Amino acid sequence: DGGITQSPKYLFRKEGQNVTLSCEQNLNHDAMYWYRQDPGQGLRLIYYSQIVNDFQKGDIAEGYSVSREKKESFPLTVTSAQKNPTAFYLCASTQGGLYEQYFGPGTRLTVT
Amino acid sequence: GQQLNQSPQSMFIQEGEDVSMNCTSSSIFNTWLWYKQDPGEGPVLLIALYKAGELTSNGRLTAQFGITRKDSFLNISASIPSDVGIYFCAGQLYQGAQKLVFGQGTRLTINP
Repeated sequence: DGGITQSPKYLFRKEGQNVTLSCEQNLNHDAMYWYRQDPGQGLRLIYYSQIVNDFQKGDIAEGYSVSREKKESFPLTVTSAQKNPTAFYLCASTQGGLYEQYFGPGTRLTVT
Repeated sequence: GQQLNQSPQSMFIQEGEDVSMNCTSSSIFNTWLWYKQDPGEGPVLLIALYKAGELTSNGRLTAQFGITRKDSFLNISASIPSDVGIYFCAGQLYQGAQKLVFGQGTRLTINP
């Protein structure tokens, strides 16, 4: 089955720790995206990558980092510099030149 | 950044009723997308619109790309309990734009 997987579904961390969220896709899509969603809010773009070894900051990149070493993988690290890391994180991908983004199931991160 | 004004923010309806929601902007959009998100899950693409005036259906859902290219509408006919969720509009500002702009969502609640 083709799709986007995010793991784990729920993640708990102590304040001050870095944490990495996984996103993998087997759709052969060129572009991948990370969004943050807070309760009752829309989606805010953190980082995106159009091709391997290249990525751009979105609207709220501070306190986050990414890498794109493989086409199918786009991990997101939430660093200790992120002031309010508790949120629902969504990964998406799209075929190059098309704008229909497809989303993974999300990871809910709780930092205490 | 760019914003999409999505309304209403929430709707409470009876099962069987028709639903209508819309997204507006002061900017012209090249593409409009409509997504549905179930609680704790990633958004699922419902309908994609690519031409001004385009009217597209997906089962009981119908969406239209406004003729001014500054708005889009989503209608759901004869609502059923599984229609409950949050509906998001998203737009691509121009051909080749790397990012989507998302609305804040419309939360649909259905009373049986």
